[in-house]
Amino acid sequence: QQPVQSPQAVILREGEDAVINCSSSKALYSVHWYRQKHGEAPVFLMILLKGGEQKGHEKISASFNEKKQQSSLYLTASQLSYSGTYFCGTFQNSGYALNFGKGTSLLVTP
Amino acid sequence: DGGITQSPKYLFRKEGQNVTLSCEQNLNHDAMYWYRQDPGQGLRLIYYSQIVNDFQKGDIAEGYSVSREKKESFPLTVTSAQKNPTAFYLCASSIVVSNEKLFFGSGTQLSVL
Repeated sequence: QQPVQSPQAVILREGEDAVINCSSSKALYSVHWYRQKHGEAPVFLMILLKGGEQKGHEKISASFNEKKQQSSLYLTASQLSYSGTYFCGTFQNSGYALNFGKGTSLLVTP
Repeated sequence: DGGITQSPKYLFRKEGQNVTLSCEQNLNHDAMYWYRQDPGQGLRLIYYSQIVNDFQKGDIAEGYSVSREKKESFPLTVTSAQKNPTAFYLCASSIVVSNEKLFFGSGTQLSVL
């Protein structure tokens, strides 16, 4: 079951903040976040686990609401290097592999 | 340095032809995966493998086949039965098939001539 991401695209000026949301209709064990630059491999950012444990990136934060089956990725004081497409991947309680959303395209301009 | 190597970077398929995409990892990971990426569609799971000589279909396995004869290698064959093969193909691995982060290769862009 593919999770739903919003918004589809965001344009920011350097230094501005953004929030990317990810929601699922299935009960989740965890949510993963990845960032992909055009033509490159996705790069792992962080995992949010059921029960509240968070792992990952020091400059980008995220939350995971297990009851609502939602996660949000928070990018504060954005930098030019934050540009790319952000994917959430969800791991269901009975799952065997990550299901990825369609992605959110983020462009940070000077 | 450990990582995942995909080859070739670009591949062209003729009508009715089977083509094979290579994926090799030296991370000593048990689990390997193939994802297909189409513009605006995210990543969709084709096949995954938990251990050598074992693999399972993902969400869009029709028209594809895989093998896992060695721990390091997980090649994907796009058969002539796959009518719309043009896409970016990503191979990934993780320590095991569980809630572990994925390491991705740099991808293969497959196009139809």
